[in-house]
Amino acid sequence: DTEVTQTPKHLVMGMTNKKSLKCEQHMGHRAMYWYKQKAKKPPELMFVYSYEKLSINESVPSRFSPECPNSSLLNLHLHALQPEDSALYLCASSRLKGQINQPQHFGDGTRLSIL
Amino acid sequence: GIQVEQSPPDLILQEGANSTLRCNFSDSVNNLQWFHQNPWGQLINLFYIPSGTKQNGRLSATTVATERYSLLYISSSQTTDSGVYFCAVERFAGGSEKLVFGKGTKLTVNP
Repeated sequence: DTEVTQTPKHLVMGMTNKKSLKCEQHMGHRAMYWYKQKAKKPPELMFVYSYEKLSINESVPSRFSPECPNSSLLNLHLHALQPEDSALYLCASSRLKGQINQPQHFGDGTRLSIL
Repeated sequence: GIQVEQSPPDLILQEGANSTLRCNFSDSVNNLQWFHQNPWGQLINLFYIPSGTKQNGRLSATTVATERYSLLYISSSQTTDSGVYFCAVERFAGGSEKLVFGKGTKLTVNP
């Protein structure tokens, strides 16, 4: 079991659907992250939230919309996705010490398939 | 941006063997982590080691920051050690900090 909880674990959706991925942590971490991982590749950063504000967007298409409603929750809203968006989506969190991030802790991920 | 290279890309061991995985990085870093991703996709944090040496059971890691490399040692390997080992680094760059992953070392431990 991990301290970062992601739901759902698996998601199959059509290209016209709207769905959301959820991530929750109760470690008091003020930095939260979304990563995308394709098969046989390393995770790639998508978004970073620091103190509930979006601080990094790695030029992610607008069909992915992040949201951080409070310090414990991170959502990723999905709309009009493409088959190439099928991947493992990982959430992570970390403490912030000044401007240096502490170790990142990852959730188990959501395996997303786009039909 | 910073480059992270891991070697070897693939490693096959018999149970009980020891191994060393290497991570080279192209610039100074303020954060280095080693992760194990098991066959189910779970990414487990093994070490946070921007410098020095740490040990946790059969695993240990050493980072020589001045020479820009880190090593992960696995002793008496077990089949449950199989998976992909990632090294990831982060460099303070004035507000653009992010964790950059190497391509990983795929480890297979046979019984």
